Amino acid sequence: EVQLVESGGGLVQPGGSLRLSCAASGFTFSDHYMDWVRQAPGKGLEWVGRTRNKANSYTTEYAASVKGRFTISRDDSKNSLYLQMNSLKTEDTAVYYCARVGHIAALDYWGQGTLVTVSS
Amino acid sequence: DIQMTQSPSSVSASVGDRVTITCRASQGISSWLAWYQQKPGKAPKLLIYAASSLQSGVPSRFSGSGSGTDFTLTISSLQPEDFATYYCQQANSFPPTFGQGTKLEIK
Repeated sequence: EVQLVESGGGLVQPGGSLRLSCAASGFTFSDHYMDWVRQAPGKGLEWVGRTRNKANSYTTEYAASVKGRFTISRDDSKNSLYLQMNSLKTEDTAVYYCARVGHIAALDYWGQGTLVTVSS
Repeated sequence: DIQMTQSPSSVSASVGDRVTITCRASQGISSWLAWYQQKPGKAPKLLIYAASSLQSGVPSRFSGSGSGTDFTLTISSLQPEDFATYYCQQANSFPPTFGQGTKLEIK
């Protein structure tokens, strides 16, 4: 069974940093691209970024709203995905989901999400 | 960025009804479209990928169609568990973008 479990969310002040983790199991993690998607309270879904697999040099893509502040990384030996968030803003407050990229780039499995609140 | 526009934003329907949700892309995306269902407090769930391919385990009452710029999600006979919010997402180009969502409510 595919499972994705996020952790690391919490309350942080504006300008602060936070690192989210996503533990994967039930599939060959190293084969897959992985995404982060967020959802502000009461709002829709916003794509945050992607990491490709080793075969594609672990290259990354980011939404314009987080580029230069957020960094996606992965450790295939630990079946884990990470999101390092720096220079956080109040508008980064959201539930953050990790998701597996499947057929035709659809997100076929999602974690349960972790809430990040940026507030003073 | 490609803008995805869903209509309606909300719809009320009854169990057994047929419901259609539309999604329009601001430019052509071939068949690079997915549909997701999200229930309150839960993660989104993939229903349809490649515009019309049913994700494994998803009931056959869900179907998708379209290509280019215009797409539809149809639920042939609503069940109580189908009341949720539905999102389309284009995967044709970066950044992937989602529609604003369609909330399906019980009439």
